[in-house]
Amino acid sequence: KQEVTQIPAALSVPEGENLVLNCSFTDSAIYNLQWFRQDPGKGLTSLLLIQSSQREQTSGRLNASLDKSSGRSTLYIAASQPGDSATYLCAVSFNTDKLIFGTGTRLQVFP
Amino acid sequence: GAVVSQHPSWVICKSGTSVKIECRSLDFQATTMFWYRQFPKQSLMLMATSNEGSKATYEQGVEKDKFLINHASLTLSTLTVTSAHPEDSSFYICSAFQTGIYGYTFGSGTRLTVV
Repeated sequence: KQEVTQIPAALSVPEGENLVLNCSFTDSAIYNLQWFRQDPGKGLTSLLLIQSSQREQTSGRLNASLDKSSGRSTLYIAASQPGDSATYLCAVSFNTDKLIFGTGTRLQVFP
Repeated sequence: GAVVSQHPSWVICKSGTSVKIECRSLDFQATTMFWYRQFPKQSLMLMATSNEGSKATYEQGVEKDKFLINHASLTLSTLTVTSAHPEDSSFYICSAFQTGIYGYTFGSGTRLTVV
């Protein structure tokens, strides 16, 4: 069964800290991996997309890495800000048809 | 770009009535769209894959007669919750996939409350 797991489930940190969110998946034959952000009661905002041939992607303070052989991806957030508070979702497509979501990490950054 | 518009953003309906939710790809064509359901403080669960011009593919445990999906054009998919009951109350989100740098793009979601 193809599964995606995220740890930690929740994280609360002071402003300015560098963070690492973890995502693991059970099948190394992935098509791509995507990180999303979800604010309460809202839809999903795409943060970074890593295709299977890539090892990492960067956007501003965000960096996502992909290691297919170990079935892991990490999302690195530099110099966290209160505005980064949200739920972060990792999602993997094992083919072009389905996107399997992880359980999410609820992040709170306090001033 | 890759923008997916979803309407309505919220809806309240009486038990036994039907509700239609629309999902549109605004600046690209989507032969495949996806419908998800999300319960409070839980992740997204794929309900069905909507295929333009053909029948939707439903995930195990999803009642296709309750959740009717129509994908009549390359830019529009609709989800109709038929004979809604309070247990159908949830957050429904659609998405579309675009090859290249965008990957999956999601709509803003629809909060359905059945009273």
